[in-house]
Amino acid sequence: AQSVTQPDIHITVSEGASLELRCNYSYGATPYLFWYVQSPGQGLQLLLKYFSGDTLVQGIKGFEAEFKRSQSSFNLRKPSVHWSDAAEYFCAVGPATGGGNKLTFGTGTQLKVEL
Amino acid sequence: GAGVSQSPRYKVTKRGQDVALRCDPISGHVSLYWYRQALGQGPEFLTYFNYEAQQDKSGLPNDRFSAERPEGSISTLTIQRTEQRDSAMYRCASSTPLSSTDTQYFGPGTRLTVL
Repeated sequence: AQSVTQPDIHITVSEGASLELRCNYSYGATPYLFWYVQSPGQGLQLLLKYFSGDTLVQGIKGFEAEFKRSQSSFNLRKPSVHWSDAAEYFCAVGPATGGGNKLTFGTGTQLKVEL
Repeated sequence: GAGVSQSPRYKVTKRGQDVALRCDPISGHVSLYWYRQALGQGPEFLTYFNYEAQQDKSGLPNDRFSAERPEGSISTLTIQRTEQRDSAMYRCASSTPLSSTDTQYFGPGTRLTVL
């Protein structure tokens, strides 16, 4: 069965500092990987996704993530955090084959940005 | 419409009552997904449809939960004889077409509280 681990429940960074949110997955085949962001009262918004090819993927709002197969990781990074980035971030894995795209989410990382 | 919409946004009900949650996907989207998100957790898959056909209902927790999408557009998730443990955010997502690489667009969710 597929699973996603986000080891950090809460992270606090200062505005302008760099950010890395960790995500480890367990999946029997090549996974599809996603990062979503959830702001209060909002739906989940896709930041970026990895299907194949270049292991460093660029997303919206200046975020990027790197797929490392050897470490089963897909960490999210941003070089300089803005106060508006404060939100909850979810990593998710989906099947690479078969119909549908049933996503398995991690438990999320709550990001707080100090001004 | 411009995005996935869900109604009601908030629902408070008494234990034992039935509730119906509605999802209106993005126009033309083939696939529709239901997830449940407990407080402090990531979304958990419930079921999904391609057009009007329910493809996978393995995530429905028990037979009190059911979903339908009779005309391949709007979907209703029904919970019969609600229990307090059913309290959660219920999220709907849609995607198109049938490729597993397609992005799921999430609605704002319905917050269900069972008293």
